[in-house]
Amino acid sequence: AQTVTQSQPEMSVQEAETVTLSCTYDTSENNYYLFWYKQPPSRQMILVIRQEAYKQQNATENRFSVNFQKAAKSFSLKISDSQLGDTAMYFCAFMPDGANSKLTFGKGITLSVRP
Amino acid sequence: GAVVSQHPSRVICKSGTSVKIECRSLDFQATTMFWYRQFPKQSLMLMATSNEGSKATYEQGVEKDKFLINHASLTLSTLTVTSAHPEDSSFYICSARDRLAGKQFFGPGTRLTVL
Repeated sequence: AQTVTQSQPEMSVQEAETVTLSCTYDTSENNYYLFWYKQPPSRQMILVIRQEAYKQQNATENRFSVNFQKAAKSFSLKISDSQLGDTAMYFCAFMPDGANSKLTFGKGITLSVRP
Repeated sequence: GAVVSQHPSRVICKSGTSVKIECRSLDFQATTMFWYRQFPKQSLMLMATSNEGSKATYEQGVEKDKFLINHASLTLSTLTVTSAHPEDSSFYICSARDRLAGKQFFGPGTRLTVL
């Protein structure tokens, strides 16, 4: 079974600053995907970034980048130039490769961006 | 990007009645759809996985006779909460897997309130 751990329940960052959200996971799978999802106050889940485990290069999407450390089973999200619209809950998620695989979510972290 | 719609967005019903929630993938075919339940400030809890044309697979502890799931086509899955009670009040989220893109997209959610 897979587990995803987000140990920080809340974080706060000043607008325009950089913040890093931590995530660790545990699995015996060799092929899998990792995700960060954002859930703003509207509660719509939005895919922020996706990483394939077989790729060594860290995924980047504009201001969002990850630090994927496969050996350490760590998958942190860095948000650069934080904006007020980044205020949301962020969920780290794991999914093994396979037709009927399921997402396993962490508990989430509430990020507040201060003006 | 891929869009998943969910209807209704909000429903209030009396105890003992049944409520149907629809989930549609709008621009891709979803052979697999997922139904989640989320309590405030908590993570998503997977209720069941539905594959087009076959019976849904329910997670442990989820009553299949109470939460009826139908996945009749590649773009539509429905969740029916039968004989709803106040403890069923929650936020229900559907999700559709786009296998070609290797991504999972979420609907905007349905807030169910049972009086």
